[in-house]
Amino acid sequence: DADVTQTPRNRITKTGKRIMLECSQTKGHDRMYWYRQDPGLGLQLIYYSFDVKDINKGEISDGYSVSRQAQAKFSLSLESAIPNQTALYFCATSGSPGDTQYFGPGTRLTVL
Amino acid sequence: GESVGLHLPTLSVQEGDNSIINCAYSNSASDYFIWYKQESGKGPQFIIDIRSNMDKRQGQRVTVLLNKTVKHLSLQIAATQPGDSAVYFCAENYHGSGNTGKLIFGQGTTLQVKP
Repeated sequence: DADVTQTPRNRITKTGKRIMLECSQTKGHDRMYWYRQDPGLGLQLIYYSFDVKDINKGEISDGYSVSRQAQAKFSLSLESAIPNQTALYFCATSGSPGDTQYFGPGTRLTVL
Repeated sequence: GESVGLHLPTLSVQEGDNSIINCAYSNSASDYFIWYKQESGKGPQFIIDIRSNMDKRQGQRVTVLLNKTVKHLSLQIAATQPGDSAVYFCAENYHGSGNTGKLIFGQGTTLQVKP
């Protein structure tokens, strides 16, 4: 969905490096989310933000941090990447509680 | 704890047949359910949703059925086409203690459409 964009789309990095994944949305939604998807598995919630001043940990936040720079931007950082953080990362947005979440195209991250 | 699960990891159907993908959920407090389709290399795409005050909702070629008694959700795709081949996820909107509504995703069912 072009309303939610993620950069980069693919990234290969080395263990110990700091990585930032960025997400932007033009849907005007207050709520933004970061998910991780491993092969053959569903989506696991890393962090979520209900507005610019609100950041919450999800199921698997260890090793990750986020920044909500503006309503439209939500970035995910890996301070010191490790190989088991190799996965697909998705950003999503929603307008209100209980609303559908709209996903970006994903970032494929490989940590060597 | 809560969980959302799909009954079969892979479903193979003939083109033109109807497909039924099932999902079981465990949280009685969930009040909103969504089906997503994920094609290879893409993010999940919204297909259809249903709120807990409904039993059935229809879209274009898709129908979602909700059975709250047995906590079961299904997605029916009519006249399945090759373009329907994808992984399908169900998700429930969970209202736990102190929770303002998060989606919990199942692990996904891969739908393969045979020509």
